[in-house]
Amino acid sequence: AQSVAQPEDQVNVAEGNPLTVKCTYSVSGNPYLFWYVQYPNRGLQFLLKYITGDNLVKGSYGFEAEFNKSQTSFHLKKPSALVSDSALYFCAVRDPGGYNKLIFGAGTRLAVHP
Amino acid sequence: DAGITQSPRHKVTETGTPVTLRCHQTENHRYMYWYRQDPGHGLRLIHYSYGVKDTDKGEVSDGYSVSRSKTEDFLLTLESATSSQTSVYFCAIQVIDYGYTFGSGTRLTVV
Repeated sequence: AQSVAQPEDQVNVAEGNPLTVKCTYSVSGNPYLFWYVQYPNRGLQFLLKYITGDNLVKGSYGFEAEFNKSQTSFHLKKPSALVSDSALYFCAVRDPGGYNKLIFGAGTRLAVHP
Repeated sequence: DAGITQSPRHKVTETGTPVTLRCHQTENHRYMYWYRQDPGHGLRLIHYSYGVKDTDKGEVSDGYSVSRSKTEDFLLTLESATSSQTSVYFCAIQVIDYGYTFGSGTRLTVV
C-alpha cells in the first residue's frame, strides 16, 4: 500500500539555525512528492514539489527539499529558520492509482524559538 | 484561498442529523476532493470527483456521500452525523502540475 511517514510529531529549532523536517514514502513507480504548510486556522498551502529532474527542489519562503530515491525520503530543509516558519508541515505523495489523489503524512509541527 | 470557498466555516450539529458542506470553485477545475483532518492522522481522503456526476470513494468514506451536479460545486453530506465525524473538513482542487489548492476548511462539531 502507498504511504507517507513523518517520523517526528514536533521539531524544535532556534531561530537562525538550519531546520529539517523528515519524510519517507512508500509508493510503486516513480513518486510525485509534495510539501504543504498549514498556519493556524488556515487551509494548507503548497510549498514545493518533486516530479522529476534535480533531486534538490526549491520552493516558497526559502524552503527546499531533497529527494533521495535509495532512501525513499523527501526531507524538507531551510538554511536559517524564522519564528514565522512555526506551523504544521505535511508531506504528501501522489497515489499512482490515478485521479491525482494525494496521500498525506500525519504532519510535523515545527516550533521555531527566538 | 483564491478560487475555492467552503461553507459554512463552522458548524455545530446534533448526533443523528444530516449535514451538508459545500465547496465552490471559480476556476473550472476537473478534479475536486474532500479530506478530513484529525490529529495524528493528517489528512485522509473521503471522496473525490473527476467530473460532473463522476465521483468515487476515498479511504474513509463510510457515513459520507457526495454530489457534483455542476463543475463548480462539490457537496459533502454526512447522512446521519456521529461524534466520530467531529473534524475539520477540507476541500481541494487539483491545479496544474498535480498540486492542490485547498479551501479554508469547515470545523464541524457533532454533539
